Amino acid sequence: GAVVSQHPSRVICKSGTSVKIECRSLDFQATTMFWYRQFPKKSLMLMATSNEGSKATYEQGVEKDKFLINHASLTLSTLTVTSAHPEDSSFYICSASGREDWYEQFFGPGTRLTVL
Amino acid sequence: AQRVTQPEKLLSVFKGAPVELKCNYSYSGSPELFWYVQYSRQRLQLLLRHISRESIKGFTADLNKGETSFHLKKPFAQEEDSAMYYCALTATDKLIFGTGTRLQVFP
Repeated sequence: GAVVSQHPSRVICKSGTSVKIECRSLDFQATTMFWYRQFPKKSLMLMATSNEGSKATYEQGVEKDKFLINHASLTLSTLTVTSAHPEDSSFYICSASGREDWYEQFFGPGTRLTVL
Repeated sequence: AQRVTQPEKLLSVFKGAPVELKCNYSYSGSPELFWYVQYSRQRLQLLLRHISRESIKGFTADLNKGETSFHLKKPFAQEEDSAMYYCALTATDKLIFGTGTRLQVFP
C-alpha cells in the first residue's frame, strides 16, 4: 500500500511558539490531504482538507489562523500550529489520497505535540 | 446529520470466539462505509469497504440500510486481531469516523 510519512513524530515546545508538522506521500501523488486531531480515547476529528495548489477547507470550529495548512505539492502538506498553547497538545495525524479513490485514505504515523 | 456510532468502547473475547463490532450510521444519502483498524503502535489502515464485499483477515461487514448498520464480524477471533477498530462513513468529500471500539482477544 501507499506510504505516508510525518515529521516530526514527537515535538515539545514552549507556549507561544509555532510548530510545523510535515506530511509526505512517499510513493504516490496525493491530490488531497487531510489533517486530523485525536484526543485521548476519542475518535479522529477532521480539522481540514487540503487539495494541492488551493486553500484548505477547514471544519467548523477549527481556527484557520491558528492551524495554517499548506499543500504546495502533490507529495507534501504542512500544518503549522501558531502561537501554541497547552490546550493544543494532542496527537495530529495526516492522511493522503490519490486522484480516484479519495476515500481510501493512507494515514501517517501521527505527531505527538506537547506544549509546555 | 451525518454521524457514525460505535456503542462499545471495549470488546473482550477469548481466542476462537465469534466477534461482532457494532456500527450504526446516520446519513441522508447513499452511504459508503468502511472499517479502519489500528494495531498497537501502528498507523491507522483500511480494513475493508462495503462496496468491495470482500473478506479481509476473516472479517466481513454487511451494509444493512434498513437498520442503518455496518457491523464487523469474524467467526473465530485470533489474538492478533486485538486492535482499535473505527467505522467510517463518507460524506461528500470527507470521512466521518466513529469513536472506535477496542477489541481485546485473550488467549
